Amino acid sequence: SQTIHQWPATLVQPVGSPLSLECTVEGTSNPNLYWYRQAAGRGLQLLFYSVGIGQISSEVPQNLSASRPQDRQFILSSKKLLLSDSGFYLCAWSVGGGLDTQYFGPGTRLTVL
Amino acid sequence: QKEVEQDPGPLSVPEGAIVSLNCTYSNSAFQYFMWYRQYSRKGPELLMYTYSSGNKEDGRFTAQVDKSSKYISLFIRDSQPSDSATYLCAMTHNSGGSNYKLTFGKGTLLTVNP
Repeated sequence: SQTIHQWPATLVQPVGSPLSLECTVEGTSNPNLYWYRQAAGRGLQLLFYSVGIGQISSEVPQNLSASRPQDRQFILSSKKLLLSDSGFYLCAWSVGGGLDTQYFGPGTRLTVL
Repeated sequence: QKEVEQDPGPLSVPEGAIVSLNCTYSNSAFQYFMWYRQYSRKGPELLMYTYSSGNKEDGRFTAQVDKSSKYISLFIRDSQPSDSATYLCAMTHNSGGSNYKLTFGKGTLLTVNP
């Protein structure tokens, strides 16, 4: 069966510090991968998605970036965090080239102070 | 008009009640519909998946799609305190191909009181 991992679970960072969140998927090959941010009252906001290694599409211009160095690894980064980057970050995967049902990881709660 | 509208609630019901959660949408091309359940501080988990119009039942849960009205529903029978969560609807208009994105509602917060 497929599993998706995210770490860390919780993170508190000062404004201006860098960020690196990691997501890995097990039990499937060539998945589509997604990064979302969930803020209170604003629903799920798609940040990036990837259909293959090195292929990243950005949905929202911001100071975040994403990379996919391996087939089942997806990384969300920032060089300098802003207060507005606080939120609940979710990684998700779906079957590559198949149904668009997405399966979510446990999330990372980021607080920028 | 937003693509997907969902009443945020909160919705509070007694244990054993029948719960109805709803979403409306504006894009008539949507044909795949999902419901996710999200417990506090957890990632959303897929609850139901339906294609086009009709009903789908899974235990105490029934998903209903009315494409003519652009309206989807999730019914929970014999609701339990463990059903207390936020319920998100989601939809898309392609299977595979070039569309990989889901459009989500903002979620309805449900509390089932013992």
